[in-house]
Amino acid sequence: SYELTQPPSVSVSPGQTARITCSGDALPKKYASWYQQKSGQAPVLVIYEDSKRPSGIPERFSGSSSGTMATLTISGAQVEDEADYYCYSTDSSGNLYVFGAGTKVTVL
Amino acid sequence: EVQLVQSGAEVKKPGESLKISCKGSGYSFTSNWIGWVRQMPGKGLEWMGFINPDDSDTRYSPSFQGQVTFSADKSINTAYLQWSSLKASDTAMYYCARLVYTGTYYFDYWGQGTLVTVSS
Repeated sequence: SYELTQPPSVSVSPGQTARITCSGDALPKKYASWYQQKSGQAPVLVIYEDSKRPSGIPERFSGSSSGTMATLTISGAQVEDEADYYCYSTDSSGNLYVFGAGTKVTVL
Repeated sequence: EVQLVQSGAEVKKPGESLKISCKGSGYSFTSNWIGWVRQMPGKGLEWMGFINPDDSDTRYSPSFQGQVTFSADKSINTAYLQWSSLKASDTAMYYCARLVYTGTYYFDYWGQGTLVTVSS
């Protein structure tokens, strides 16, 4: 089996920076992607290939990866960024894909 | 505009069969694999597996192998997720999503989800 480990929750005040980590043994060699899921909605891709941002995603969302940890950063978090965030990647074989357990981001 | 439109909510009894659908539009349906993701009530996202709509090649998560079946009909740009005998524990929201491969797969577009409720 393979696991991606995320903190259960992160809380910040509006305008502060929120950092969400995702730890996995294969991350040095495999890309991570990140998904935002607001209550009652389908997930939305916010970062792919560790650090690339799809069109339409605000610039305050950024991603990075170093060693066995990928990080999603929300710079200047806004109230509308409150959501669950999930990382997603694969094991070293590329056959088993997993989501992290998710991190609930609260902005208040 | 890329869209994935899923079939509507279902209420079923344990032991019944079910097939839900995911119809793609706005792109060449056979150019991207389709993935399925489960979300049980109040829980996180779970990767179920992928299907290639072009040749119906499939990859299942070990957690779902033998429990569900993926299929696709490329003539109508539709992928399917099927159960032969539902259990109460299959109650969940199910999402389809389009996959992109750049060394690692990621989901770039998602369907709106299909809520499946299994209850006697």
